[in-house]
Amino acid sequence: KAGVTQTPRYLIKTRGQQVTLSCSPISGHRSVSWYQQTPGQGLQFLFEYFSETQRNKGNFPGRFSGRQFSNSRSEMNVSTLELGDSALYLCASSLVLAGSNEQFFGPGTRLTVL
Amino acid sequence: GESVGLHLPTLSVQEGDNSIINCAYSNSASDYFIWYKQESGKGPQFIIDIRSNMDKRQGQRVTVLLNKTVKHLSLQIAATQPGDSAVYFCAENGGGFKTIFGAGTRLFVKA
Repeated sequence: KAGVTQTPRYLIKTRGQQVTLSCSPISGHRSVSWYQQTPGQGLQFLFEYFSETQRNKGNFPGRFSGRQFSNSRSEMNVSTLELGDSALYLCASSLVLAGSNEQFFGPGTRLTVL
Repeated sequence: GESVGLHLPTLSVQEGDNSIINCAYSNSASDYFIWYKQESGKGPQFIIDIRSNMDKRQGQRVTVLLNKTVKHLSLQIAATQPGDSAVYFCAENGGGFKTIFGAGTRLFVKA
């Protein structure tokens, strides 16, 4: 079974631009979560989607948004990029079974904002 | 506030020794805890989890201990190998489909 895939793997943007990152979960997984990872802040939760609905959201400004499609693939968008948005953006999918919330992470998209 | 922290940012152990990585959490309502391993250039990888109704859980070479009284979590790795070198994160899930990660501990294994 293929793992979680994220595209693109690397991205360079300039301040003020916007960016869209894509995540394809493991087949059958309906929950997709997004995280931002930086050396200073560690792994921070952005949002979680299940069956095209956002069920929870972290403490990020409205410039960060996401969505999930009917095939469970998810995208996240960051508008008006700032230098501080440079980070590794990780996507994780899970099967959502009772008693387990094991998340499977993709390799991440490395975003650099210049 | 929500936070899951780690006592030590780095840990260096000799190959073959046991490693213990510690974690403190602040949300007493959290009922599910997970340890992840992240190698350079990769996303975090699930190691082991434990629910709040348990004190201990064992996997292959790994054991997680949960002390709810002091809100402390630890990961023990037996016979540490060079391949165990990575950053280890504890994470908690208190419901609401949201996982809170700790800052991470870097484990160095000396040959």
